[in-house]
Amino acid sequence: DVVMTQTPVSLSVSLGGQVSISCRSSQSLVHNNGNTYLSWYLQKPGQSPQLLIYKVSNRFSGISDRFSGSGSGTDFTLKISRVEPDDLGVYYCGQGTQYPPTFGAGTKLELK
Amino acid sequence: QVQLKESGPGLVQPSETLSLTCTVSGFSLTSYSVSWVRQPSGKGPEWMGRMWYDGDTAYNSALKSRLSISRDTSKNQVFLKMNSLQTDDTGTYYCTRALPGGEGYWGQGVMVTVSS
Repeated sequence: DVVMTQTPVSLSVSLGGQVSISCRSSQSLVHNNGNTYLSWYLQKPGQSPQLLIYKVSNRFSGISDRFSGSGSGTDFTLKISRVEPDDLGVYYCGQGTQYPPTFGAGTKLELK
Repeated sequence: QVQLKESGPGLVQPSETLSLTCTVSGFSLTSYSVSWVRQPSGKGPEWMGRMWYDGDTAYNSALKSRLSISRDTSKNQVFLKMNSLQTDDTGTYYCTRALPGGEGYWGQGVMVTVSS
């Protein structure tokens, strides 16, 4: 299975600040069809995960442009700008290129 | 709007079978695929399997021998059955509406505890 490694494990940020979360996969996530199926999710306290970004850099429906994804191959980054209180929680990256789809262990975003 | 809701028992005895139902609304099961994903407390999600829009299924090989996913399109429901449950199967179970390479919409989840 593809192992997804996220760094850091936790992150402290001031409101209005900017943060980056890294995700590295144990194998290339470039699919045979040319697409790269790397997604980012946010799980707020007590809630289900919600999709933020799919195929590396595409924002899901209703997601603010303060969230941006980038990367290629095995290295990916999620950037959050102008952090708001509602952004706090655990962020997961996930891959859907190789079966079975797998997720990272999460990065917890907290207030400084 | 798109909605998914999981239902099933909150407590299962070790070695017994877990049966969960995902009831969907706002979309057709013959147009979109539905996945099952579980999450132990404090850990990352684990993808379990998928009911494809065309009726085909895919399973995580780690669970394949114990897992079965089926559907009733007339009732807008997808079912999960997993046998031989153990304590490390405890966690929250979600159904999701899949999109290419990811899980787009998630249900609220159902907490399942395996304990005698």
